Amino acid sequence: DQQVKQNSPSLSVQEGRISILNCDYTNSMFDYFLWYKKYPAEGPTFLISISSIKDKNEDGRFTVFLNKSAKHLSLHIVPSQPGDSAVYFCAARFANAGNMLTFGGGTRLMVKP
Amino acid sequence: AAGVIQSPRHLIKEKRETATLKCYPIPRHDTVYWYQQGPGQDPQFLISFYEKMQSDKGSIPDRFSAQQFSDYHSELNMSSLELGDSALYFCASSLRERLPDTQYFGPGTRLTVL
Repeated sequence: DQQVKQNSPSLSVQEGRISILNCDYTNSMFDYFLWYKKYPAEGPTFLISISSIKDKNEDGRFTVFLNKSAKHLSLHIVPSQPGDSAVYFCAARFANAGNMLTFGGGTRLMVKP
Repeated sequence: AAGVIQSPRHLIKEKRETATLKCYPIPRHDTVYWYQQGPGQDPQFLISFYEKMQSDKGSIPDRFSAQQFSDYHSELNMSSLELGDSALYFCASSLRERLPDTQYFGPGTRLTVL
C-alpha cells in the first residue's frame, strides 16, 4: 500500500508557464515533506521542504503548498525553464519514527522551449 | 560544496557473489541512509545509521548488512546476490541535530547482477 502517491507520471509544460506537480499521502503521521529533482544517472537533488505546521514555503521559483486536511501537497515552479525537465519525487517523513523518507512514484516534467 | 560520494558508480556481479558499496557523507554530517531504487520504482529505504549506530531499518534483506565507521563513511555489504538485487543504490547523508533533517543524496551505485 503506497503511502505517498504521485498520480501523474508525466507533465508537459511550455517554457515560462507554471508547472504544478501534485502529491497525495495517506498517513496523517507524516510531519515533514520534501521535493527532490532527479536527472538520469544522478541522485535525487533536494529542492524544497515544508513542515506540517506550515501551509506554504517559497524558495525562488519554487513554492510548495500543503493542505493537511486533504493530505495533499503541490510543487509550483514559476516560470518553468527547460532545465527544469527532470523527474520530481515527493517524499514524506514520519514523526517520531525515525527519519527515513517514503517516496512517491515520481512525475516526469518536460518543459518545452 | 562537497557532496555525498558513492563508490563504485557501476558494479556488475554474478549471481551468488558478494558486493560492497561505499558511501562518504557530506563533511560534518553524522547520519547516513541507504535506499534502493529498482527499475521503474521509487527509492525504498533500506537502513540508516546515526553516530555509527544503526538508527532505523527498512526493507533490507537479511543477506545485506551495513555499518558506519568512525569517519562516518558507510558500507553496504550484499551477499548471495540475486537477479532482483539489480538496482540503483543511493546513499544520503544529513546532520541529525538540525531536525527535521534534510537528506542529501549521492549519485548512486548501479548494481547489475547477471
